[in-house]
Amino acid sequence: GAVVSQHPSWVICKSGTSVKIECRSLDFQATTMFWYRQFPKQSLMLMATSNEGSKATYEQGVEKDKFLINHASLTLSTLTVTSAHPEDSSFYICSAPIGLAGENEQFFGPGTRLTVL
Amino acid sequence: DAKTTQPPSMDCAEGRAANLPCNHSTISGNEYVYWYRQIHSQGPQYIIHGLKNNETNEMASLIITEDRKSSTLILPHATLRDTAVYYCIVISRATGRRALTFGSGTRLQVQP
Repeated sequence: GAVVSQHPSWVICKSGTSVKIECRSLDFQATTMFWYRQFPKQSLMLMATSNEGSKATYEQGVEKDKFLINHASLTLSTLTVTSAHPEDSSFYICSAPIGLAGENEQFFGPGTRLTVL
Repeated sequence: DAKTTQPPSMDCAEGRAANLPCNHSTISGNEYVYWYRQIHSQGPQYIIHGLKNNETNEMASLIITEDRKSSTLILPHATLRDTAVYYCIVISRATGRRALTFGSGTRLQVQP
């Protein structure tokens, strides 16, 4: 089946630094990718939709200047957490839909656990 | 998209069938029922989806009631690796590829 990878799988950084997370579709092209965030014992919450060749669209309450998204190619989307703070510590997951237009079978990456000290 | 209701948790003995219910009483005619699961500290995994007919694949079976107001995901022979949170999601195919809205799901614990 289709595979979505994320890198890194986990990262620890100091407060105030920036962290880049990559999401790749390994065997299919993805013009759209989604970024989610999951806090402990909570469900996944959509942060933004990444669109190849155009600007990302962000969910209400998600700061676009803090969470920079770049969809540079049909197989790569990156999420950069700028000036990270401890409250940004979370599990970040990307997904990409596959199949015919209208289908919603999505493949998720394994997630990236971010810990900000 | 129609709202779904799932029990917060269920237990199942290893080797037995796990039947996970989902209520979606406000589902409309062009909405599909999708099931995903999330094993601890991993990304969600697609399991199965259906519109109105029962569906089966190598992972599970999906039984949708005739009025489509509820469905049941069946794992025929649960193993310890099936311990996960299972999400039932209803989404309209007409709106194309959209992000998924995850509820709180059902935490299935498979007991040895």
